[in-house]
Amino acid sequence: EAGVTQFPSHSVIEKGQTVTLRCDPISGHDNLYWYRRVMGKEIKFLLHFVKESKQDESGMPNNRFLAERTGGTYSTLKVQPAELEDSGVYFCASSQLEGTEAFFGQGTRLTVV
Amino acid sequence: AQSVTQPDIHITVSEGASLELRCNYSYGATPYLFWYVQSPGQGLQLLLKYFSGDTLVQGIKGFEAEFKRSQSSFNLRKPSVHWSDAAEYFCAVGASVTGANNLFFGTGTRLTVIP
Repeated sequence: EAGVTQFPSHSVIEKGQTVTLRCDPISGHDNLYWYRRVMGKEIKFLLHFVKESKQDESGMPNNRFLAERTGGTYSTLKVQPAELEDSGVYFCASSQLEGTEAFFGQGTRLTVV
Repeated sequence: AQSVTQPDIHITVSEGASLELRCNYSYGATPYLFWYVQSPGQGLQLLLKYFSGDTLVQGIKGFEAEFKRSQSSFNLRKPSVHWSDAAEYFCAVGASVTGANNLFFGTGTRLTVIP
């Protein structure tokens, strides 16, 4: 069974540009989560989807970040326009139902220069 | 406020030696506690979790952790470290033992294993 897959693994963009990160959860997993780790700091929760609906987006830092999950399958996280402080590793996780373990992807390392 | 503290940024141990990684938490309700590991190029993998019952929990890869409510701690231990244990370890606390909604992570402890 394929795990949680994130694309790209690494992205370098200039300040002011737009970047879109993608997460493919494990097939059949209704719950999808986005987390972010800024360099040297803790991993922080961004948001939680249940199917295509945003269940909890309390961790989204500002309106430059837009997360979508069309059709309840894969999810995208767009940063527009990117700022230097957005650099970090973005993790995605998925879980099947309430009451099950979540599985994390390998992360996307975003560098804004 | 909820938070997790991992006081050791980097630990180096010899292969075969014992290991203890420290974790302290602050949480306003009943804490659900987790340890994750990230090996190079891999995603976060759940090592073990605690939500109730026996305060000593066993996980995968020979790891265990002990919950001490009086000390607000959830330290991770392994009696004999293998070179493949070199990785970064994260302690986390949340409101549920399942899923991954709104977990609070520590800053991580990087483990180096020397021959």
